[in-house]
Amino acid sequence: GAVVSQHPSRVICKSGTSVKIECRSLDFQATTMFWYRQFPKQSLMLMATSNEGSKATYEQGVEKDKFLINHASLTLSTLTVTSAHPEDSSFYICSARDLRGVGDFQRELFFGSGTQLSVL
Amino acid sequence: AQTVTQSQPEMSVQEAETVTLSCTYDTSESNYYLFWYKQPPSRQMILVIRQEAYKQQNATENRFSVNFQKAAKSFSLKISDSQLGDTAMYFCAFIGTASKLTFGTGTRLQVTL
Repeated sequence: GAVVSQHPSRVICKSGTSVKIECRSLDFQATTMFWYRQFPKQSLMLMATSNEGSKATYEQGVEKDKFLINHASLTLSTLTVTSAHPEDSSFYICSARDLRGVGDFQRELFFGSGTQLSVL
Repeated sequence: AQTVTQSQPEMSVQEAETVTLSCTYDTSESNYYLFWYKQPPSRQMILVIRQEAYKQQNATENRFSVNFQKAAKSFSLKISDSQLGDTAMYFCAFIGTASKLTFGTGTRLQVTL
């Protein structure tokens, strides 16, 4: 199957600093990538949909100025947590949809390995 | 909006036994896909099985099979011959024409000796 690489896997930062997380599709092109947030022992909550060459679409309640998303190429999307605070500590996961194949929403999503963010 | 409900927060099964995880969903769409994802302690999301709503035949992948009841909006996962490596969180998920994957709250499955 297709591979999605997510870096870093773990990051610890001080409160007030910004952290960038990268999501790369290694062997396929992805016009659309998704960013999820997962609190301990909870489900994945969609934060935003990242579209190559255009602005990201944020879910209700997600601050677009705090969680900056850039999708500058067909293989890379980045999530920047700006002015991070302890409440931003969480596990962040990206996923990407392979353009190949037929149809759209039925195409399989491939997930990165996640980034554990800890804000001190 | 679509909702996905998993009513079993935790399940336990002995090795080699069979276990069924429940999932119900709510949607007004007729064309959609349902998935079961596994999240082991590594937290990597792994696709277990996928069901297309327009297909009546239940999907099967080796030891994993589903019971898809479209009218009842039910989508349960059966794991046969459970193995220790099956220990993980299992998430039921829905995707429709909005192209957003909606996850259930998850079921933590523990396989014991």
